[in-house]
Amino acid sequence: AQTVTQSQPEMSVQEAETVTLSCTYDTSESDYYLFWYKQPPSRQMILVIRQEAYKQQNATENRFSVNFQKAAKSFSLKISDSQLGDAAMYFCAYRSAEAGTASKLTFGTGTRLQVTL
Amino acid sequence: NAGVMQNPRHLVRRRGQEARLRCSPMKGHSHVYWYRQLPEEGLKFMVYLQKENIIDESGMPKERFSAEFPKEGPSILRIQQVVRGDSAAYFCASSPPSRGAKNIQYFGAGTRLSVL
Repeated sequence: AQTVTQSQPEMSVQEAETVTLSCTYDTSESDYYLFWYKQPPSRQMILVIRQEAYKQQNATENRFSVNFQKAAKSFSLKISDSQLGDAAMYFCAYRSAEAGTASKLTFGTGTRLQVTL
Repeated sequence: NAGVMQNPRHLVRRRGQEARLRCSPMKGHSHVYWYRQLPEEGLKFMVYLQKENIIDESGMPKERFSAEFPKEGPSILRIQQVVRGDSAAYFCASSPPSRGAKNIQYFGAGTRLSVL
């Protein structure tokens, strides 16, 4: 079974600064997808960014980028130019892409990000 | 294009009552997933359904919990004889029928179940 670990329960960043959230995962599969979801106080789960394991190039979405290290099974999220609206819980998630597997997401326990003035 | 709609947002039940949570997927999505989030924890997969079929229920408790996704109407997560430990936020997600990179799960705002 796959597991996802987020070792930072809480992180803090000053507005306009850069912060990196860590995520490691364990799998024996070679084909999979990785995601970062954001959960603000409203509880709505919002997709931030996704990475396909077969792509070597790191995904980027505006101020959000990932550092995907497949051999190390590491998938960190970098938020640049942090804004007050970035304050939220951030969840790392894994989904298998192997044929014949179900499409469920496996989540980490989350990192609470605070953004200060 | 409306997102994933869940209702109610908040549901209060007394121990022993039944809870019914509803989820209407995004237009064009035929796959529905249910997840449970306990306080201060991540989301845990419960069940994956396609229209009229349960595909994966490996995360569902064996007793008191059931889910359906009928040909017409929303998906329903049903919890019978609720206990305090069922108090949690229940999230529904939907995705289009394609596999691969386009199979992104979009989440509803969740239903917070409180059992008194």
